[in-house]
Amino acid sequence: GENVEQHPSTLSVQEGDSAVIKCTYSDSASNYFPWYKQELGKRPQLIIDIRSNVGEKKDQRIAVTLNKTAKHFSLHITETQPEDSAVYFCAANEDRSGAGSYQLTFGKGTKLSVIP
Amino acid sequence: ETGVTQTPRHLVMGMTNKKSLKCEQHLGHNAMYWYKQSAKKPLELMFVYNFKEQTENNSVPSRFSPECPNSSHLFLHLHTLQPEDSALYLCASSQALTGGAEAFFGQGTRLTVV
Repeated sequence: GENVEQHPSTLSVQEGDSAVIKCTYSDSASNYFPWYKQELGKRPQLIIDIRSNVGEKKDQRIAVTLNKTAKHFSLHITETQPEDSAVYFCAANEDRSGAGSYQLTFGKGTKLSVIP
Repeated sequence: ETGVTQTPRHLVMGMTNKKSLKCEQHLGHNAMYWYKQSAKKPLELMFVYNFKEQTENNSVPSRFSPECPNSSHLFLHLHTLQPEDSALYLCASSQALTGGAEAFFGQGTRLTVV
């Protein structure tokens, strides 16, 4: 099955600086890589995703890059703000049952703290 | 609201009790999932249902029993749980057959086993 590794587990940055979180995956058949943000006491919510036919995607201060050959993808947050403080999860999809039904395997999460 | 509703939000149960968690989605999705979130394993997949059929049981102990009567409802029946089962249980849904589909999570049920 798919194995997703995420680093670092914790990250502290000064407000205004950039933050980078990296993930690797094992299943070369995976073709969808979302990033979720979970604020304290709340549910995980999608912030950006990328598909395997694209190498980079950007949405305002957030960008994701994908290297299919190396099987790794990264989340980049620029001009960080205190409200960016949360736990971020990367994920990769897989069709584990082979029945055309995909599910997400998540990394262990990165706790990002933005210091004012 | 994301369209995925879980009840109850909090549950305290003894090790000999039987309780059920409920999840309902109003997004027209064809797949539903149970995840366990704890400090040790932040988002651990437990069960997958696709069109009401269970397609994945991720080596979950039999004291957890899922039920999916239709594509909009998902239950997790609990019996004779252990204190280490205390965690946040998250339900999610998606359009699983499309592959690149966002999973929408419910608010979760915070379970405490005493």
